[in-house]
Amino acid sequence: EDKVVQSPLSLVVHEGDTVTLNCSYEVTNFRSLLWYKQEKKAPTFLFMLTSSGIEKKSGRLSSILDKKELFSILNITATQTGDSAVYLCASNAGNMLTFGGGTRLMVKP
Amino acid sequence: GAGVSQSPSNKVTEKGKDVELRCDPISGHTALYWYRQRLGQGLEFLIYFQGNSAPDKSGLPSDRFSAERTGESVSTLTIQRTQQEDSAVYLCASSFRGISGYEQYFGPGTRLTVT
Repeated sequence: EDKVVQSPLSLVVHEGDTVTLNCSYEVTNFRSLLWYKQEKKAPTFLFMLTSSGIEKKSGRLSSILDKKELFSILNITATQTGDSAVYLCASNAGNMLTFGGGTRLMVKP
Repeated sequence: GAGVSQSPSNKVTEKGKDVELRCDPISGHTALYWYRQRLGQGLEFLIYFQGNSAPDKSGLPSDRFSAERTGESVSTLTIQRTQQEDSAVYLCASSFRGISGYEQYFGPGTRLTVT
């Protein structure tokens, strides 16, 4: 059975801190790994990673995939209160996404 | 263009009643997915449609759950004889194709509460 595990479960930081969120996966027929930010109901897409070692960057967010060790990290630098959300990673195996349980990030002013 | 839309946004129903949830995917997206998210839990895959192919129903939790999609347009998820454990947010997503390399775009979800 495909499995995606995220850590930590939750995290509280202060504005300006840097955070690293972890995602490990055990997936048959792995194709890609995706990160989403979920604030209310619908997740919004952040990154899709298919190749090992290539960092994807968007503003203060960046992510990288290690296909040998089967994990990905999401970094957020200079955090802001607006970064407070649940961050989900999901593995894409064929046509289905398997989601991790998410990391709840709270950024305090 | 317009994103994925879902209706209703909220639905409260009594245990034992049937409910129908609707999803309008992004125009041109051939793949459509339904997920469920119970309170405090991760997203759970339910069903996947790709064009006119037979749907992948492997995530449906019981035979009370069914879904239909007409061509590459609207989909409805039906839950019969609802139970309290069906209370969750039901999310629909669509993607350009059901192949890796195309991210999924999510709708706003339907919050279902079974009393």
